[in-house]
Amino acid sequence: NAGVTQTPKFRVLKTGQSMTLLCAQDMNHEYMYWYRQDPGMGLRLIHYSVGEGTTAKGEVPDGYNVSRLKKQNFLLGLESAAPSQTSVYFCASSFLLWDTQYFGPGTRLTVL
Amino acid sequence: AQSVTQPDIHITVSEGASLELRCNYSYGATPYLFWYVQSPGQGLQLLLKYFSGDTLVQGIKGFEAEFKRSQSSFNLRKPSVHWSDAAEYFCAVYSYDKVIFGPGTSLSVIP
Repeated sequence: NAGVTQTPKFRVLKTGQSMTLLCAQDMNHEYMYWYRQDPGMGLRLIHYSVGEGTTAKGEVPDGYNVSRLKKQNFLLGLESAAPSQTSVYFCASSFLLWDTQYFGPGTRLTVL
Repeated sequence: AQSVTQPDIHITVSEGASLELRCNYSYGATPYLFWYVQSPGQGLQLLLKYFSGDTLVQGIKGFEAEFKRSQSSFNLRKPSVHWSDAAEYFCAVYSYDKVIFGPGTSLSVIP
């Protein structure tokens, strides 16, 4: 039982490049979330999903897209990376919406 | 708008000493409240949560928190800190359509 896993762990991009972060959970959770963590700002919600095939915007969705094609996976895409997107990205899942969230180990992304 | 504040950015305590981390929220109705811990290089883990009922909530690793509606606070406590408690602690509030996280308090423990 791996819980929530994230791929990759680290990535360096140049401005304008694209990439996809993968989140996978094996707990059969319906709800999944993507956050970014910046110093002194806690976690801010980017997008979330209430089930397979559904996504919704969070607090800071601009510049990101997401997809939930399978229940266990939640993908976060950056179409044209900007230095402002340098951050640590966390994926989480939960059994009930907004209840106890189980977090992955994070992806540290640097955009040059 | 709902908000969560954690007044202490960084706290240092000696091993064996007691600990209290402060959390204040701004929210109109009875909130759902959480405390999460983040060890270095790791994701967040739930310590405890409050939805209703007894205002003193027990969590994992010997932590507890008390909900005080009159003070809009949900402070986290531990009677005796261990070196392994050194981490970042986040308070969070559930509002109608999302969970809002506070900025975090970094805890250092002196042996």
